[in-house]
Amino acid sequence: DGGITQSPKYLFRKEGQNVTLSCEQNLNHDAMYWYRQDPGQGLRLIYYSQIVNDFQKGDIAEGYSVSREKKESFPLTVTSAQKNPTAFYLCASSTGLSEQFFGPGTRLTVL
Amino acid sequence: GESVGLHLPTLSVQEGDNSIINCAYSNSASDYFIWYKQESGKGPQFIIDIRSNMDKRQGQRVTVLLNKTVKHLSLQIAATQPGDSAVYFCAEQFTGANSKLTFGKGITLSVRP
Repeated sequence: DGGITQSPKYLFRKEGQNVTLSCEQNLNHDAMYWYRQDPGQGLRLIYYSQIVNDFQKGDIAEGYSVSREKKESFPLTVTSAQKNPTAFYLCASSTGLSEQFFGPGTRLTVL
Repeated sequence: GESVGLHLPTLSVQEGDNSIINCAYSNSASDYFIWYKQESGKGPQFIIDIRSNMDKRQGQRVTVLLNKTVKHLSLQIAATQPGDSAVYFCAEQFTGANSKLTFGKGITLSVRP
């Protein structure tokens, strides 16, 4: 089955720790995206990548980092510089000219 | 201290009635529009899309209407079912270089049995 997967589903982090969220797709999509969603709110773009080895900052990139070494993978690292990291994180992929397909999300909680 | 989250606007409809969810978009240059459905704790799911060269598009039980003059998008759901209860987001995109989707804030649809 083709699709986009995220892991883990739930993640707990101590303050001051970096954590990495995984996103993998087998849809052969060039573009991949990371969004953050807070309770009762819409999606805010963190980073996006339109092609391997290239990525751009979104609207709220501070405190986050990404890499795009493979077409299938777009991991997101939440660093200790992100002051309020507790949120629901969503990864998406697309051909770039049509709808984005979303993964199931990772819920990150800072203890 | 106690934190208070923002509450999305809610549309409440009776099961079997038709639902109309409205969205105002911001960029007059946007040429591609999508409606997504998000159930609690899950990722958004594509419902239907429309390009700016059309003003209406129909799917199974859903219709999207686009009014470019007033920058307005609507989603109509026929014979609303309990499984339609979710948060609905509209999204707009200008499909040029480095284009990205811009999402609206979302509307909660609640279906009364």
